[in-house]
Amino acid sequence: GAGVSQSPSNKVTEKGKDVELRCDPISGHTALYWYRQSLGQGLEFLIYFQGNSAPDKSGLPSDRFSAERTGGSVSTLTIQRTQQEDSAVYLCASSLGASGGTYEQYFGPGTRLTVT
Amino acid sequence: GQNIDQPTEMTATEGAIVQINCTYQTSGFNGLFWYQQHAGEAPTFLSYNVLDGLEEKGRFSSFLSRSKGYSYLLLKELQMKDPASYLCAVTRQQGDTDKLIFGTGTRLQVFP
Repeated sequence: GAGVSQSPSNKVTEKGKDVELRCDPISGHTALYWYRQSLGQGLEFLIYFQGNSAPDKSGLPSDRFSAERTGGSVSTLTIQRTQQEDSAVYLCASSLGASGGTYEQYFGPGTRLTVT
Repeated sequence: GQNIDQPTEMTATEGAIVQINCTYQTSGFNGLFWYQQHAGEAPTFLSYNVLDGLEEKGRFSSFLSRSKGYSYLLLKELQMKDPASYLCAVTRQQGDTDKLIFGTGTRLQVFP
């Protein structure tokens, strides 16, 4: 069985450009999470999906960040007008249920974003 | 708000035992996870504690004291494959969902 996959694995973009990061969760997992990890830092929560809806968007750093999920499966994180401080590894995780405290989160390999 | 503290770095010798501590302050606490993250890789699940006490799983054990806001991860018989960052994460109930809040991680080095 496939795990969580993310694409691209690496993305280098110029400041001011838009980028789209994709996450394919484990089949059957209803919950999907996006995190950001800067060099040497812990994981910063960005947004959480239950099905196609996002009950918790509290971690999105600015209105340049948005995410959507379609068909209860694939999710896309979009960053508009990228800035150098957006450079980080963006990790996606999925779990069986809505309650993260009960269900283990499985992480994808991440997308390393570099804004030049 | 919430606050999670764990040491930034620890070093130990192959074959030894190491204990990585984590203290937390959060409202709506539901449980605590430990994840292992090798350099350049995604975090992988190690343990989950919701009740007070010790959970043992092979060479890894995790302890929780809810009243003290304290947990530790115990690694026994350290091996050269164990160097990694060990992330403490607490789950906090927010509305109908549990939110997972990560600490900054403890980078473990193991010397032969």
